[in-house]
This record gives sequence, C-alpha cells and structure tokens, in this order.
Amino acid sequence: GDSVTQMEGPVTLSEEAFLTINCTYTATGYPSLFWYVQYPGEGLQLLLKATKADDKGSNKGFEATYRKETTSFHLEKGSVQVSDSAVYFCALMGTSGTYKYIFGTGTRLKVLA
Amino acid sequence: EPEVTQTPSHQVTQMGQEVILRCVPISNHLYFYWYRQILGQKVEFLVSFYNNEISEKSEIFDDQFSVERPDGSNFTLKIRSTKLEDSAMYFCASNGVMNTEAFFGQGTRLTVV
Repeated sequence: GDSVTQMEGPVTLSEEAFLTINCTYTATGYPSLFWYVQYPGEGLQLLLKATKADDKGSNKGFEATYRKETTSFHLEKGSVQVSDSAVYFCALMGTSGTYKYIFGTGTRLKVLA
Repeated sequence: EPEVTQTPSHQVTQMGQEVILRCVPISNHLYFYWYRQILGQKVEFLVSFYNNEISEKSEIFDDQFSVERPDGSNFTLKIRSTKLEDSAMYFCASNGVMNTEAFFGQGTRLTVV
C-alpha cells in the first residue's frame, strides 16, 4: 500500500541555518504531496503542497519539489527562525479509493537562537 | 475563510465511558474523514465517509467506533466504551471533490483516565 517515509528527528539547528527534511513516498500512480506543520499543542496546518511531478510548493520561505524520478518531496528552507520550531509531517493523498491521507512519522525541528 | 470546526477542544473521560467527538465540516463538502494522533506519534487514518455511509475504514476503526452525520452539518465520531489507549488527538477533515486537498480541523484532545 501507499506509504511515506520521513527522516528521523529531532533536528536541531541554529537560527539562520539551512534546513532540509527528507521525505520519500511509495504510491500507485501520482499522488498529491503535502507538508503539514504542527506547533506544540496545536492542530495540523498545511504548509505547502504539490499535485504533479516537478511542481514546487512554497510558503513562508519553505519549499519542496515533487520529484517523480526519486519519489521524493524534501522540505527546505534557506534560513530558519526560532519560530519555525515545530513538528513537520510529510503526507500524500492516495490516488484511489477514498483519497485518504497517508502521513509520515513527523520530524521535530528545534531552532536555537 | 471557511474552516472545519471541532468541539470540544479537550475532553477528559473515564475508562469505559462513551464519548462523542463533534465536527462541522465546510458546508459544501461531501467527503469526511477522521484521523487519530497518539501523543508523539504519526497521524493515522481512521475512517472516511461519503453519501451517508462509510467508504473506507482502517483496522483501528473497530466495533467500538462509529460515525454519523446526524443533521446534514455535523459529523460525529463515537467511541462506545473508551480505553486508556484511545487517548489521542482526533482530527476531522473534509473535502469537496475527491482528489482535492482536504481541510483539517484543529483537533480534539481526548484523555481517558
């Protein structure tokens, strides 16, 4: 079945460092891909999305490119801030059945001042 | 901007009690979902609902769980006899057209004591 694999956390960075969180997927067909962010004690917020190969999703300085050849959707940010500290979830929306979301395990990011 | 609303935000219940978690999806949406996130773990699919019936459910969604759309606006998740391991954040989601982005509510944190 469909699955999402994310790099293990936690990831600890200094402010203004470059961020990469790896995400790869296994799916039938060409799923839509998403990154969600969850701040402590809060719900899921959509960060960015891409619906087809080579699409780049971007928001708040974060970017991710849908790479069909490597089945990847890595999250990047050029310069992180303390306020980016959160848990980041990669997810795909399946291409058949009920189009449910499959989430990765989440990666906790901690940014130090 | 339309949003998915969940109530209550936090519920504490005694083991063995029944709980009902409530969701108001976006008004013109047709597809509804419940997901669960045990503390510190990934978000897991529970059930999808369309046209007044369950369209898919996971192995987590056993006979203790049920869903209902009682009045055309609410979408509820009932846990008949709660167990300690039901303690989790429960997210409702909806989308208007299959294969489009789903919108998530802020979640209900259920604590079973």
